[in-house]
Amino acid sequence: DIQMTQSPSSVSASIGDRVTITCRASQGLGTWVAWYQQKPREAPKLLISTVSTLQTGVPSRFSGSGSGTDFTLTIDNLQPEDSAVYYCQQANGFPYTFGQGTYLEIK
Amino acid sequence: HVQLLESGPGLVKPSETLSLTCTVSGDSIESLYWNWLRQPPGKGLEWIGHKFNGRSPSYNPSLRSRVTISIDTSKNQISLKLTSVTAADTAVYYCAREDIITGGALDYWGQGALVTVSS
Repeated sequence: DIQMTQSPSSVSASIGDRVTITCRASQGLGTWVAWYQQKPREAPKLLISTVSTLQTGVPSRFSGSGSGTDFTLTIDNLQPEDSAVYYCQQANGFPYTFGQGTYLEIK
Repeated sequence: HVQLLESGPGLVKPSETLSLTCTVSGDSIESLYWNWLRQPPGKGLEWIGHKFNGRSPSYNPSLRSRVTISIDTSKNQISLKLTSVTAADTAVYYCAREDIITGGALDYWGQGALVTVSS
């Protein structure tokens, strides 16, 4: 299996801050990387596909980047509604795997 | 507007078979991949497998010996069967759509169905 090591496991930030979450894969992934946001008692929501493609309706303060084995989700101008758990996912090989999740707390 | 809705028993006894159905509206399941995933309480996401109508499914090797995903195009439904369940299979089970355009990402999800394995 391709391992996705996500960091940090939790982060606390203030309104207006920039937050960066990283995912390191155990092998190269090409463009098959996605990011999700999950709020309590809800299904995950796709934010970004193919490394950096922002999904329709997702605020432009979310962005994705990276290549090879290292990928990043950046949230600029943090808002209260951004409090959630964030997951990376790889679809380069079976089984699809996810990072362990990053809990983002808004101070 | 694409919607997915999981349904099935919320309680399954150990050693029995977990069966869930995902009903899709707003899209045809005859194209694209349809996935099942699960999330144990308080834990992360695990991919169970996916299927494209008319093609062989792909399963997570950790579950392959116990899982079956099938598609019923007449009902626009995807089903999941997991045999010989134990307490470790207690989780919220999600179905999700995988669009080729999104490169393996899962763009529409059901609300999830909590399944508890207990006697």
